[in-house]
Amino acid sequence: AQSVTQPDIHITVSEGASLELRCNYSYGATPYLFWYVQSPGQGLQLLLKYFSGDTLVQGIKGFEAEFKRSQSSFNLRKPSVHWSDAAEYFCAVGVRSGNQFYFGTGTSLTVIP
Amino acid sequence: DAGVIQSPRHEVTEMGQEVTLRCKPISGHNSLFWYRQTMMRGLELLIYFNNNVPIDDSGMPEDRFSAKMPNASFSTLKIQPSEPRDSAVYFCASSSGLAGAGDTQYFGPGTRLTVL
Repeated sequence: AQSVTQPDIHITVSEGASLELRCNYSYGATPYLFWYVQSPGQGLQLLLKYFSGDTLVQGIKGFEAEFKRSQSSFNLRKPSVHWSDAAEYFCAVGVRSGNQFYFGTGTSLTVIP
Repeated sequence: DAGVIQSPRHEVTEMGQEVTLRCKPISGHNSLFWYRQTMMRGLELLIYFNNNVPIDDSGMPEDRFSAKMPNASFSTLKIQPSEPRDSAVYFCASSSGLAGAGDTQYFGPGTRLTVL
């Protein structure tokens, strides 16, 4: 069965530090890959997505993600975190051959001054 | 565009009562999704529609839940009767294609439901 794993439930980083949020998927072929962000009390907003081609994808708010086929991973990165980045981050996959869509369990990010 | 609109934003009801959540998708989008978010289970896809037709309702927890999309601009999620374990935030999202096509989903602000 297809699955999306975000192994880190909660991460705390200092403002200005770099960030990497992990995401692994389990699927026989390369799915569509997404990262969404949810600020407190808000709905989810797309940060970036990967369809094909260049494995390094740039998103909004200075985020990027790298697709690594060999590791079935799609980790999200940001070189310098801002206090406003504190939120819940969700990795998601869309199955190309069908119509299923799965979210990971989310990683909560806390940014300390 | 106003984005996905959900109403009400907050709903408090008593166990056994009927609850109806409403969603207006982004104009021109032909796919609509209902999600439930809880601390215990995270974000769960309940049902999604394409061109007003339910495509996959396998996530609907039980017969107490029903969803309709009578036209392209309106959908409802109904719980009857409601139970305390239904307390959650319910999100509606819309996109321009099938989930498997990889289209971006645009989320509404959610309805926070509390069943006492």
